[in-house]
Formats: sequence, C-alpha cells, structure tokens
Amino acid sequence: DVKVTQSSRYLVKRTGEKVFLECVQDMDHENMFWYRQDPGLGLRLIYFSYDVKMKEKGDIPEGYSVSREKKERFSLILESASTNQTSMYLCASSLQTGIQETQYFGPGTRLLVL
Amino acid sequence: AQTVTQSQPEMSVQEAETVTLSCTYDTSESDYYLFWYKQPPSRQMILVIRQEAYKQQNATENRFSVNFQKAAKSFSLKISDSQLGDAAMYFCAYKRGTGNQFYFGTGTSLTVIP
Repeated sequence: DVKVTQSSRYLVKRTGEKVFLECVQDMDHENMFWYRQDPGLGLRLIYFSYDVKMKEKGDIPEGYSVSREKKERFSLILESASTNQTSMYLCASSLQTGIQETQYFGPGTRLLVL
Repeated sequence: AQTVTQSQPEMSVQEAETVTLSCTYDTSESDYYLFWYKQPPSRQMILVIRQEAYKQQNATENRFSVNFQKAAKSFSLKISDSQLGDAAMYFCAYKRGTGNQFYFGTGTSLTVIP
C-alpha cells in the first residue's frame, strides 16, 4: 500500500513565523501535491510537483512556496505565516501516468496561526 | 479551470438504507477520470471509487456504485445498506486524462443515523 506521511498532525505558530510542512511518500510517485482544506471550500490546490525540482502553481499559491529536492519528499513553506493561513493542509501523491490515476493522501496537518 | 459541484453540503441516511450523493462537473474534454473520496472524521482521505470517462459501464465497489451520465456531466455516488462507518465527508473529484491536476468539489458531509 502507498504510504504518505506528514511531519506533524497539529501545529501552532505565531504570525510572521516561517513554517515548514513536510510530506514523504514511499511509492516512487512522480507527482506530489499540497492542498488546503477549509469548511465549505473543499480542497484547493496550492502547488504541485511532477518531478524533482519541478513545481507548478495551483489555484492559491500566494503566501506559499514549495521545495522538492528528492523524489519522495515535498515541502510546503509559509514564508511569513498569517492568521488567514490557519487551515488543514493535505499532501497527496500520484503516478504521472498509468493505470493507477488516483491520488493518495497523507493524514493532514492542522495548522493554527496565532 | 475545471469546476466540480457538489450541491448537497450535508446529507443523512438511516442505517441499512440507501443514499445518493450528487456531483456535477464542467469540462470540454472527452478523456478524463472521476473519483469519489471519503474522509472520515479525523482520519485520512481514501479513494472510494473511480470511473474512466470512456467506459460506459458504471463503476461498482461492493456497496458503493456510481451513476455516470456523461452527456449530463453528472457523477453521483450511491451507498447501499449504509453503515455507521460510512459517516464521513465525501468529495467528488475530476482529473483530465492527460493532466496531473485533480479538481475537487466542496464536499458532502454524510451522517448515518443508527
């Protein structure tokens, strides 16, 4: 089974802090994704990566950056956290092509910015 | 951007009864995939069922089945013999056949009444 892990389940940070959210997958997937999930808004894509060092902006990239130095690891960075970034953050991975076109999700990180 | 619409923010069903969750999507593509994901409270999001647009036959996974109406761009999920463990947030998702990005609806929260 595919396993996607995220470094923290819960995180509390202060406004202006730099925040790192880490995601690791163990199935050699090319694609990795970062979403934020808010009530009534569903999942919104922040960034995704289709290969090492490659990234593309999603629908809401403002205030975020990402890093993918190794295939299995995809980091989301909040350069200067703000209260409106309080949310649930979900990481996911998928194969780039092939039969298994689904995404596999991590458990999520619930971030509170004070 | 593609849009996926789930018009039912909340649904409820009696245990052992059948419930149908609605999803519509907007696309001009002919090659795409559709998914239903389940997110139980405080647990990881998992795939429930997937449908390839080129397949006319509706996908089925045990008690879960879909009604895929391609012309109407409708993709509803039917849960038969509902169980307490089916209580969760359900997300409908779309992916273009040649693309990497998934588009999610806003979710339907399903309550199962004992």
